[in-house]
Amino acid sequence: DAKTTQPNSMESNEEEPVHLPCNHSTISGTDYIHWYRQLPSQGPEYVIHGLTSNVNNRMASLAIAEDRKSSTLILHRATLRDAAVYYCILRGMYSGGGADGLTFGKGTHLIIQP
Amino acid sequence: DTGVSQNPRHKITKRGQNVTFRCDPISEHNRLYWYRQTLGQGPEFLTYFQNEAQLEKSRLLSDRFSAERPKGSFSTLEIQRTEQGDSAMYLCASSLGGSWTEPQHFGDGTRLSIL
Repeated sequence: DAKTTQPNSMESNEEEPVHLPCNHSTISGTDYIHWYRQLPSQGPEYVIHGLTSNVNNRMASLAIAEDRKSSTLILHRATLRDAAVYYCILRGMYSGGGADGLTFGKGTHLIIQP
Repeated sequence: DTGVSQNPRHKITKRGQNVTFRCDPISEHNRLYWYRQTLGQGPEFLTYFQNEAQLEKSRLLSDRFSAERPKGSFSTLEIQRTEQGDSAMYLCASSLGGSWTEPQHFGDGTRLSIL
């Protein structure tokens, strides 16, 4: 299965943009890149997903490298409520995570300083 | 609230006892997933249902674990003869279909503590 690599933790200041990186050098052509986040004492929450093109939604933006071997989740203006563990997950034929369930790593623990 | 609901939120029991957790998915979601999460780790997939059929079981799901989803609505996860290593957060998720683009919606979990 294709794997993802994320930094263990990152720190940012409130009201500043945050760029969360994810490496997935063995991604296959059919793998979608998904991001979830988990706030303290809550279950994971879907954030965004993409295949090749950059994506925007109300929560975040996803920038995907041209070779698709890496991606970046962008929070445009972090708030204290964005402090969470962020997971980058591949879903596709060869990565599982379709009908089989999501394959989570340890994610990135995002700390937001006021 | 129309999200995924899990009960109880916390369960404390003695080693060797049986426990059962319940998950109520979002209405009309035909897929339901169970995960387990230990401290400092991401959730690990245990099993999933499409409607009432249990279609996949992880090797993490030992013989002491059983899950059901009668009539394709709510689901229960039972652990028999609990062990210390069963202490974890048990998460349930549901989705409308199982495509690679379909998000999974998670409940807030049941935290199990084994004394």
